[in-house]
Formats: sequence, C-alpha cells, structure tokens
Amino acid sequence: EVQVVESGGGLVKPGGSLRLSCAVSGFSLISHTMHWVRQAPGKGLECVSYITSSSNYIYYADSVKGRFTISRDNAKNSLYLQIDSLRAEDTAIYYCPRDLTAAAYDSWGQGTLVTVSS
Amino acid sequence: QSALTQPASVSGSPGQSITISCTGTSSDVGGYNYVSWYQQHPDKAPKLIIYDVSNRPSGISNRFSGSKSGHTASLTISGLQAEDEADYYCTSYATSTAVVFGGGTKLTVL
Repeated sequence: EVQVVESGGGLVKPGGSLRLSCAVSGFSLISHTMHWVRQAPGKGLECVSYITSSSNYIYYADSVKGRFTISRDNAKNSLYLQIDSLRAEDTAIYYCPRDLTAAAYDSWGQGTLVTVSS
Repeated sequence: QSALTQPASVSGSPGQSITISCTGTSSDVGGYNYVSWYQQHPDKAPKLIIYDVSNRPSGISNRFSGSKSGHTASLTISGLQAEDEADYYCTSYATSTAVVFGGGTKLTVL
C-alpha cells in the first residue's frame, strides 16, 4: 500500500525555521518526482517546490525562492523541505504528493500544519 | 490570483450532471494534455480524480469525466450524489512553472 506521511510542522515565530519531512512507503522514492504543495487556511493549492527523481532539477515558486530548500534521500525513502525566514503568509498545511504524470499527484498524506505567528 | 480560472461555485441536484470549467492559456492548458482534477472534502487531503485530461485513476467512479477544448478543460460529474459535494481543483503542466493550479470550485449538491 502506498503511504505518504508528512511531519515536522508546528508553531514558529516570524523569521524562524522548520524542517519538514516526508516518509514514503509502498513505492520507491527514486522512481518519482516529488513535490511540496501547500494550502493556506481556506485557500487553494500552491506548488512551492519539486525535485526530480535524480535530483537533477529543482523548482521553487517565486514566493519561496531563497528561503526554502528541498532535498531527498532515496535510500531512506524520504523527502525534506527546509524552510527559513518564515513569514505569516507561509502559514499553511504542507503536503508532499507523489507525481503520476506531469501535474498529476496520485498519493497524498494528511499534511503537516505550519503556523507562523508571534 | 490563480493561474487557471475556475468558477467559484457550481450547484446541482442529485441525479443531475454538472460541468466545471478550467481556463488557461497556450502555455498551460492549451499547450499540453496534462490537465488533472482533484476533489477535496473539508479537512481532507486532495484526491486525484482525473489526469492527462480524461484518464481516471483506479477506483474513481466513471461518473467523473474530463475533456479539453482549446485553452479550456472541463470536469463533468454525472448522476450527482450528495458525497460529491466538495471543492474541486484543476491543475495543468505549464511551460514556465511546470505546475499551475486553478483557484478551486465549490460544488454544492442541493
């Protein structure tokens, strides 16, 4: 059974940092491009970053460029998102879905909530 | 402002059919056959229901269908049921950003 489990969220002050983790099972991480997609409270979905299976291409949305760093450890079947210089507008649930084809995410976890507030 | 344009809300009665549109440009919807649709119930993660314009993942009801014409993709739900009440999002591969989302459509089953 394919499973995706995000963790590492929490309450952090503006300017702070967090490291989100995504543990997958039931499939090999090395075979898939992986994404971080966030959803602010009551808002829509936004892809903030993705990394190809071989890590040869990394994308960041303009809203997070220079503050977020995506990485993966295929041996541990894990994906990470280091988020620094947090802002109130980064408050959201962060998901790490697996891609099926371009722009198609077929496996989602429950997400991890990041709250940025003083 | 979202890259893809969806109606904010649609509604229909049980048994009816509804269609949700998703309008983009030649750099996304119009340029690629990589349009997907997601269903999201309150406090739940999104669920893929259509990919590559018109394909359904395993386990998705054939009441859900997708199509595309020019720069506009559409999701049709036939035989509307109470459990279809949810938010629906479209996505597309895009030249500049790889993935763009629609703003979401709230479906109300009357």
